[in-house]
Amino acid sequence: EVQLVESGGGLVQPGGSLRLSCAASAFAFSSSWMTWVRQLPGKALEWVAEMSQDGSHISYADSVKGRFTISRDNAKNSLYLQMNNLRAEDTAMYYCARDLSWGRTDFWGQGTLVTVSS
Amino acid sequence: DIVMTQTPLSLSVTPGQSASISCKSTQSLLHSGGRTYLHWYLQKPGQSPQLLIYEVSSRFSGVPDRFSGSGSGTDFTLTISRVEAEDVGVYYCMQGIQFPQTFGQGTKLEIK
Repeated sequence: EVQLVESGGGLVQPGGSLRLSCAASAFAFSSSWMTWVRQLPGKALEWVAEMSQDGSHISYADSVKGRFTISRDNAKNSLYLQMNNLRAEDTAMYYCARDLSWGRTDFWGQGTLVTVSS
Repeated sequence: DIVMTQTPLSLSVTPGQSASISCKSTQSLLHSGGRTYLHWYLQKPGQSPQLLIYEVSSRFSGVPDRFSGSGSGTDFTLTISRVEAEDVGVYYCMQGIQFPQTFGQGTKLEIK
């Protein structure tokens, strides 16, 4: 059974940092584009970042560019999101997902909650 | 960025009746290669979003044929025929033709 398990969320003060991880299993992770999507408290979904199979193509939402870094370790079947200089508006549930092609995200993790508050 | 606008934002439907959700984009989602990158997702209460329909009208694996998608260019529709209690949740359209990928605001479906 395909699984994506996120971890690393928590409560952090404004200006702080967190590193999210996503452990993948039961599919060809190294052949898959992977994406981070977040769900804001009001329930809106916002695409955050995406990375190609070998890391040669990376894109970020303008709202996180320069503060967040997506990375992956294909040997460990893992995806990461390093989040620096966090703001209150980054508070959200963060999901990792597999992007089959052009936004067709077929598998999603259960999410990890990030709360930015003093 | 491409803006996705869904209407209505909420629906209350009697079991067995049909429901339709509209999604409009500010730019055409038709790629030069001939495919249209408009997808529909459902987020059931307490769950992660799940893929329902991809590329306008193709049902994802396991999705009942009560769900259908249609449209082209900038105007799209998700139709649920014979709504069942298990269909409750929030439906989102999403464009994948360009980064940043963007979602509609969501349409909440409730059962009367």
